[in-house]
Amino acid sequence: EAGVAQSPRYKIIEKRQSVAFWCNPISGHATLYWYQQILGQGPKLLIQFQNNGVVDDSQLPKDRFSAERLKGVDSTLKIQPAKLEDSAVYLCASSLDLPGTQWFFGPGTRLTVL
Amino acid sequence: AQSVTQLGSHVSVSEGALVLLRCNYSSSVPPYLFWYVQYPNQGLQLLLKYTSAATLVKGINGFEAEFKKSETSFHLTKPSAHMSDAAEYFCAVLNYGGSQGNLIFGKGTKLSVKP
Repeated sequence: EAGVAQSPRYKIIEKRQSVAFWCNPISGHATLYWYQQILGQGPKLLIQFQNNGVVDDSQLPKDRFSAERLKGVDSTLKIQPAKLEDSAVYLCASSLDLPGTQWFFGPGTRLTVL
Repeated sequence: AQSVTQLGSHVSVSEGALVLLRCNYSSSVPPYLFWYVQYPNQGLQLLLKYTSAATLVKGINGFEAEFKKSETSFHLTKPSAHMSDAAEYFCAVLNYGGSQGNLIFGKGTKLSVKP
């Protein structure tokens, strides 16, 4: 089966600019996650969707970050405006809506903010 | 609340030597624990998981981990390191929420393998 797809793979922007990332989960996976992985740290959950509803966005900096999952499939994560500290790899993951099933991670989008 | 702590941000071993990557957890409920591997410029790949069945869990690529409740540990081992094992390894614990929960990761341990 096809894996979790993300684009772009790399993005370089200047601070205060806007950027958007796209994620296409594995077909049929109801749950979708966005994680932020800063260099030298483990991934940190930004937002979790179940179908097109938000389950957990407690660690999403809502003053600049937004995410949506239209029709319960693809998702976009937006940063507006970007700060230097947003430089990180943004990972998307998906899973079936069943307890104990495996999470599948995409390759990530590496964002550099100058 | 759940958390994991990985001891040692960088571990270096010789090819053929034992690999030991340490992870300690904190959880107010029986934990579900995971080890993931991340190769450069790639996503995370599941190595193994503990879900309250057998305490010794075998995973892919010859890795295994033992759940020790008395020590709140879930260390990852491999008897003989291979060059291809060089990567970053993350320990994670399930954070219950919704029907699926989500994963809380440690800071990672970078494994280097010397020829």
